[in-house]
Amino acid sequence: GESVGLHLPTLSVQEGDNSIINCAYSNSASDYFIWYKQESGKGPQFIIDIRSNMDKRQGQRVTVLLNKTVKHLSLQIAATQPGDSAVYFCAENSNDYKLSFGAGTTVTVRA
Amino acid sequence: KAGVTQTPRYLIKTRGQQVTLSCSPISGHRSVSWYQQTPGQGLQFLFEYFSETQRNKGNFPGRFSGRQFSNSRSEMNVSTLELGDSALYLCASSLGRTSEKLFFGSGTQLSVL
Repeated sequence: GESVGLHLPTLSVQEGDNSIINCAYSNSASDYFIWYKQESGKGPQFIIDIRSNMDKRQGQRVTVLLNKTVKHLSLQIAATQPGDSAVYFCAENSNDYKLSFGAGTTVTVRA
Repeated sequence: KAGVTQTPRYLIKTRGQQVTLSCSPISGHRSVSWYQQTPGQGLQFLFEYFSETQRNKGNFPGRFSGRQFSNSRSEMNVSTLELGDSALYLCASSLGRTSEKLFFGSGTQLSVL
């Protein structure tokens, strides 16, 4: 079946550098995409979302890019901080009252 | 505004038992979704309820069931527990429209021995 997937399971980043987390999706009917951050012992926390009629959306220190041509989604984190260490999930909604999640990327920030 | 509340936080059961997990959504949210999270399978969709009606169901056996009450609170039940049911069970709430973000609780960590 169709699913959302992440390119890399782990990412190690130097504190202060920018992070880029990638995600590929396969359901062309999906019209909404979202990034979550999950810290140990907690549930997923919303970071940023984007609808399919947009290519880019910016938040505080984060930017999501959507390339519908190649079905690719990315999350950019500017000036990565130790508190950014977590597992990041992308998810898609194909208009059926559920989110389909990718496998997740574990981001580790090096001091 | 209080977030999504799940109880209990931790649960230990033995094979063959049944378990009921509870979820209180954010005030005003009418949709409640349940997900199972395991290291090997990631986040898997269980079911979604809106106004006491199940609108979507994931690919889980009939041992997994749920319900939603008139106050939007939800429960999920797993009967005849198996070792493989050990997981973090996450509840999420939303207003109930399609294509919108879900707000997650901290989950119930279920261990089946």
